[in-house]
Amino acid sequence: DTGVSQNPRHKITKRGQNVTFRCDPISEHNRLYWYRQTLGQGPEFLTYFQNEAQLEKSRLLSDRFSAERPKGSFSTLEIQRTEQGDSAMYLCASSLGGLIETQYFGPGTRLLVL
Amino acid sequence: AQTVTQSQPEMSVQEAETVTLSCTYDTSESDYYLFWYKQPPSRQMILVIRQEAYKQQNATENRFSVNFQKAAKSFSLKISDSQLGDAAMYFCAQNGGATNKLIFGTGTLLAVQP
Repeated sequence: DTGVSQNPRHKITKRGQNVTFRCDPISEHNRLYWYRQTLGQGPEFLTYFQNEAQLEKSRLLSDRFSAERPKGSFSTLEIQRTEQGDSAMYLCASSLGGLIETQYFGPGTRLLVL
Repeated sequence: AQTVTQSQPEMSVQEAETVTLSCTYDTSESDYYLFWYKQPPSRQMILVIRQEAYKQQNATENRFSVNFQKAAKSFSLKISDSQLGDAAMYFCAQNGGATNKLIFGTGTLLAVQP
């Protein structure tokens, strides 16, 4: 078990461009979460998948953001028409669910929008 | 709304000494979990310790223990025999809602002095 992985680890883009991040959860984990962390702040929830179903989206997730989890395996987070305010660390976490819920985090993708 | 508050932006401790990080939370849920996560510089977030709200006994994990005061909605982390490797940002978090998304505090940056 290699843990949660995220790619790319760093992304620099120009304002207005589209970017896509990938998250590979721990195998057999059916729950997957995306969070955003800005400098000096704690992570903020963006969206949640149980298997392939997207069951909750935060109000932080504007219509420029879209997330998918085809076949309940890896997940992608796409940001269209990036803005400088999108610059942040994007964290993915997965969990097995059940009575004792512990989320395991990936290393994150750091996005810088110029 | 659920909130988590960490009132200590920075803390410092001498190697081998004990330090306590504070956290308060607010929730209307009757069943929930509380967590302390550690985020070393440029490294991924890892779980330090977890407390189930229905348990009266405080959780312990080796040098890490919590003081859980449910009525006061307080959840502090005590680190005994501090080591240089304990230097990191520490986040207090609570899971919330049907999706168990995590709500984080703003973090406490812990420095360990040799």
